[in-house]
Amino acid sequence: DTAVSQTPKYLVTQMGNDKSIKCEQNLGHDTMYWYKQDSKKFLKIMFSYNNKELIINETVPNRFSPKSPDKAHLNLHINSLELGDSAVYFCASSQDRVGEQFFGPGTRLTVL
Amino acid sequence: KNEVEQSPQNLTAQEGEFITINCSYSVGISALHWLQQHPGGGIVSLFMLSSGKKKHGRLIATINIQEKHSSLHITASHPRDSAVYICAASSGSRLTFGEGTQLTVNP
Repeated sequence: DTAVSQTPKYLVTQMGNDKSIKCEQNLGHDTMYWYKQDSKKFLKIMFSYNNKELIINETVPNRFSPKSPDKAHLNLHINSLELGDSAVYFCASSQDRVGEQFFGPGTRLTVL
Repeated sequence: KNEVEQSPQNLTAQEGEFITINCSYSVGISALHWLQQHPGGGIVSLFMLSSGKKKHGRLIATINIQEKHSSLHITASHPRDSAVYICAASSGSRLTFGEGTQLTVNP
């Protein structure tokens, strides 16, 4: 009965590949987020969706594309992976746009 | 300079000590969040507050809106409190994070 789940937990891939990370929440929340945590453990918002509508789109390369098929799912697709994309990616959700956020376990992406 | 500053960056304490972690922010906020990141990497929300003080067990969070400052206190610290504590300022849905405080509590 995991609240916010992400798959896969680990992802190792070669430069230039395309990969996706999936996120699902079973909390009935309206808002979902993607965060990137770099090698110095600094967290930064990437995207946020509210009821399948994009509400935050930070300055990230357009190789990153979020997709929300329904309000319980927010997937992150990354094209043409680069070495600098190596990081831990966290998904989170909140009841509404301003509520407390619940985080997924993270996906550690390593680009070789 | 980051919009959210935490201090100290690293903190080592003996079991039983009272711990304080500070957070200052320069942005307008709707709320201030305290998060805990376990050694295994998972992130847990500890508090979300927009005024005053909140308490959960041995953890207390306070915020002073006028001074743009928040503190997280841990009473009677325990080795299991060892983690990274992260302060984040929210403006609507957008969270801006501090760099985190690595806390180590020795038995």
